[in-house]
Amino acid sequence: GAVVSQHPSRVICKSGTSVKIECRSLDFQATTMFWYRQFPKKSLMLMATSNEGSKATYEQGVEKDKFLINHASLTLSTLTVTSAHPEDSSFYICSALLAGYSYEQYFGPGTRLTVT
Amino acid sequence: AQTVTQSQPEMSVQEAETVTLSCTYDTSESDYYLFWYKQPPSRQMILVIRQEAYKQQNATENRFSVNFQKAAKSFSLKISDSQLGDAAMYFCAYTYNDMRFGAGTRLTVKP
Repeated sequence: GAVVSQHPSRVICKSGTSVKIECRSLDFQATTMFWYRQFPKKSLMLMATSNEGSKATYEQGVEKDKFLINHASLTLSTLTVTSAHPEDSSFYICSALLAGYSYEQYFGPGTRLTVT
Repeated sequence: AQTVTQSQPEMSVQEAETVTLSCTYDTSESDYYLFWYKQPPSRQMILVIRQEAYKQQNATENRFSVNFQKAAKSFSLKISDSQLGDAAMYFCAYTYNDMRFGAGTRLTVKP
């Protein structure tokens, strides 16, 4: 089956620093990847859609300069949280679209970010 | 904008019994996909079942089945013979271009 990995699984950083989260499709090529944010006991909120070789499309209310997304290859998308603040602490989940197959997204295991 | 509504924040079922989780959605599209995902404490999203809107037949996957009512924009999940391992958060999701999730239903299974 299609497998998506995320690295790191959890990260703690100091306020004001930047942190990068990687999302990889391990056994398939993904032209489109998605980034979600999930607060405790809440649902997944779409942050942005990442297309290989082009600029990401951000959802309304998501700061593009704060959450930098790069999708440089068909198997890798990265989310960089710049100048992180405690309110950025959350669970971040990526997914990859298996094109042409029922629009099904395959989800990574998530990254827990804690900003101190 | 497409919205997905899960009106049951929490549900409880006795082991081996049947439980139905509700989901409604709003869309102006005619061809789309619906999913139910399970999120256990590990927080890994696990696909439970999918339904293509153009198919009238309700999808089934072993103990899991859906009742898809396209005109009513309803997509409920029935879990039969509930097991302790079914305890988790369940999210209903709609996708056309991107995926939108409902607020989730926390399912507890009592032994």
